[in-house]
Amino acid sequence: EVQLVESGGGLVQPGGSLRLSCTASGFTFSNYAMTWVRQAPGKGLQWVSSISGGSGTTFSADPLKGRFTISRDNSKNILYLQMNNLRAEDTAIYYCAKGRGFMVLGYYMDVWGKGTTVTVS
Amino acid sequence: EIVLTQSPGTLSLSPGERATLSCRASQSVRGTYLAWYQQKPGQAPRVLIYDASNRATGTPDRFSGSGSGTDFALTINRLEPEDFAVYYCQQYGGSPWTFGQGTKVEIK
Repeated sequence: EVQLVESGGGLVQPGGSLRLSCTASGFTFSNYAMTWVRQAPGKGLQWVSSISGGSGTTFSADPLKGRFTISRDNSKNILYLQMNNLRAEDTAIYYCAKGRGFMVLGYYMDVWGKGTTVTVS
Repeated sequence: EIVLTQSPGTLSLSPGERATLSCRASQSVRGTYLAWYQQKPGQAPRVLIYDASNRATGTPDRFSGSGSGTDFALTINRLEPEDFAVYYCQQYGGSPWTFGQGTKVEIK
């Protein structure tokens, strides 16, 4: 069974840092792009960042560049999101999602984790 | 950036009725790379439709997607009680990926 489990969320003060992890199982992790999507309380979905299967290509939402960095360790089947200089508006549930293909563009997200909650206060 | 505008914001319908949700893009979506996701309270989103009109694995056939270019639609025939949820469209043809703001389908 394909499974994604996020971890690393919690309460952090403004200006602080967190590293989120997403542990994947049930598929060949290195063959698929991965994405982080967040959802602020009571709000819609917001794309954060994506990375291709081989880590060669990354995309990030412009407002988050410089503070958030996506990476992956294909030997451990783990996706990461390093978040620095956190602000109150970063408070959200952070979901990781598996892409349908190796590349980022042109492939939708077919499996989602349950999310991890980040609270900046 | 492609802005996706969903309408209506809320759709109040009864079980058994048909729901038609709209997603309009500010510019043409490359390759009809548009997906529809369903989200229920307290749950992660799940994909229903990809590439504008293809049902994802496990999506009931009462769900159908259509459209190209800038105008897309999700139709739910004969609403079942489990279909009352929030629906998002998303384009994945170009960066940045973008989502619509969502349409809530609620029980009338």
